[in-house]
Amino acid sequence: QVQLQESGPGLVRPSETLSLTCIVSGGSVINGSYYWSWIRQPPGKGLEWIGYIYYSGSTNYNPSLKSRVTISVDTSKNQFSLKLSSVTAADTAVYFCAKTSFGVVITTDYYYYYYMDVWGKGTTVTVSS
Amino acid sequence: DIQMTQSPSSLSASVGDRVTVTCRASQSISNFLNWYQQKPGKAPKLLIYAASSLQSGVPSRFRGSGSGTDFTLTISSLQPEDFATYSCQQSYSTPLTFGGGTKVEIK
Repeated sequence: QVQLQESGPGLVRPSETLSLTCIVSGGSVINGSYYWSWIRQPPGKGLEWIGYIYYSGSTNYNPSLKSRVTISVDTSKNQFSLKLSSVTAADTAVYFCAKTSFGVVITTDYYYYYYMDVWGKGTTVTVSS
Repeated sequence: DIQMTQSPSSLSASVGDRVTVTCRASQSISNFLNWYQQKPGKAPKLLIYAASSLQSGVPSRFRGSGSGTDFTLTISSLQPEDFATYSCQQSYSTPLTFGGGTKVEIK
């Protein structure tokens, strides 16, 4: 079964770019049945969805972060990545990657629903000089 | 953005108790609501998706219900391993948003 592992620096300087990678094992990022998400959790706070990517490269970002976020996929390495630019202390958080499954409800239109069913263990990123 | 509000923010319960956690959306989200369990220092774990579908491997004492704006997670008989924080998440529209969490503590 699919397992995910985040990797990247644990300390990033303010104004620099945070870069994390999520290595996928036990499955393929090319599987068209899934999206691949990034989620973060500041210390003592709730979860915040950052965005997701499809194997084709199609992305969807949280508007609150959109100007600073890039999510990419490397099918040759079976991994996907997160870049967050111009970081501040507010970006200090545990960052999780997650396999995101989806389903569709067809009524008068197509409605897609998503759920994050496999998560990485998370990696702590601290923004500090 | 759709706001997700959970209540209570915390509760104390004993092993064997029936526990109910509520999640309210700021607008109708049909049944596009997921529930996660998170223990300290660990990643969230999917319990329920599409409001009432039990994720594979999750004990049947967990039950989700609701549609529209009001949803409930019920644990029929609380077990020692269930003490954790529970969060709801809507997938009706992006950005996907989570509730603030409900911490279930030992009484």
